[in-house]
Amino acid sequence: AQKVTQAQTEISVVEKEDVTLDCVYETRDTTYYLFWYKQPPSGELVFLIRRNSFDEQNEISGRYSWNFQKSTSSFNFTITASQVVDSAVYFCALSATGGGNKLTFGTGTQLKVEL
Amino acid sequence: EAGVTQSPTHLIKTRGQQATLRCSPISGHTSVYWYQQALGLGLQFLLWYDEGEERNRGNFPPRFSGRQFPNYSSELNVNALELEDSALYLCASSQPGGSYNEQFFGPGTRLTVL
Repeated sequence: AQKVTQAQTEISVVEKEDVTLDCVYETRDTTYYLFWYKQPPSGELVFLIRRNSFDEQNEISGRYSWNFQKSTSSFNFTITASQVVDSAVYFCALSATGGGNKLTFGTGTQLKVEL
Repeated sequence: EAGVTQSPTHLIKTRGQQATLRCSPISGHTSVYWYQQALGLGLQFLLWYDEGEERNRGNFPPRFSGRQFPNYSSELNVNALELEDSALYLCASSQPGGSYNEQFFGPGTRLTVL
């Protein structure tokens, strides 16, 4: 069975602050994939990144960066210099080869960026 | 390139009725997934269709069913609606292949059961 935990229910920051969203996962599969999605108020989930279990290299895309650590089963997401447009619910998700292609989502972290 | 589309945007039904939700995947995607996002329950996997066949099913009762058509579009049917079926139903599609493919989501159908 797979499980994803996002312990932070809600985070509030002031614009230009850096913020890190935590994600911890559990799976018995040795091959798995981790994802981050953004859900703005409109409701549509927007794909941000995919990582596979064999690639622990951190990734940076503009103001976004991801830190994948197998030793702690974590896949954390950092937004640098946050902006109001970053306000959304962010979901971490896991897909494992033994899981029949389904995404197992965490409960999400509501990020509020204020002026 | 057009994204995943879903219809209707909103659907209001009464308890005991049937609801039909529709989804069109991104061109070239053969897999379609359905998820339920109910208040307090988070995002839960419902169904996965690929090449017209049901490939995987989440922990939902049989009154949740669906199908995939030859053009890869899909329908989700919910029979004997209950109040707790009120939720946002999200459809996603992906390219053929395994669990490594990212799933792209549509805007969802908001189902309200009165």
